[in-house]
Amino acid sequence: AQSVAQPEDQVNVAEGNPLTVKCTYSVSGNPYLFWYVQYPNRGLQFLLKYITGDNLVKGSYGFEAEFNKSQTSFHLKKPSALVSDSALYFCAVSPTGFQKLVFGTGTRLLVSP
Amino acid sequence: NAGVTQTPKFRVLKTGQSMTLLCAQDMNHEYMYWYRQDPGMGLRLIHYSVGEGTTAKGEVPDGYNVSRLKKQNFLLGLESAAPSQTSVYFCASTLTGGTDTQYFGPGTRLTVL
Repeated sequence: AQSVAQPEDQVNVAEGNPLTVKCTYSVSGNPYLFWYVQYPNRGLQFLLKYITGDNLVKGSYGFEAEFNKSQTSFHLKKPSALVSDSALYFCAVSPTGFQKLVFGTGTRLLVSP
Repeated sequence: NAGVTQTPKFRVLKTGQSMTLLCAQDMNHEYMYWYRQDPGMGLRLIHYSVGEGTTAKGEVPDGYNVSRLKKQNFLLGLESAAPSQTSVYFCASTLTGGTDTQYFGPGTRLTVL
């Protein structure tokens, strides 16, 4: 069965510091991997995705993620955090040939001034 | 483009009452999805549709029914609401499914007393 794990319920980081939000996955076959962000009282917004090719994927708002097949991970990163990055972040996976996503439980990112 | 819209935004029901949530998209997307979001559980797929006139069960379909009579609309019905269905419901759509980005509506907050 397909699954996604986000081991941290919350990540705290000071503004200006680098941030990492962790995600590991379990699928059969090649995965398609996504990151979405949810601001308070809003729907989810797409950040970035990995389909194939370069393992380092760049997305919106300065975020990037690295696909690591051997570690089955797709961690979200940003070199310098902003207070406005504070939100709920979801990792999701779609196995090859599937028509739907499986979401992780989410990680709340809090960036302090 | 309005993107994905959901009505209503909020609703309070009594146990046993019925209601229908409406999702509409104006992007000519083929695939549409209904999710529920609960604290600590991320997003779980209720039902989805891969085109007009089609529906399929997701991860947590019990107690819900759906219909996709028109390509742009995806309805989620609760025939006899239960307190366990208190949640935030999100609709999403995507052009082709799988690798494609999902676009989310703003959500419906449902409370069942």
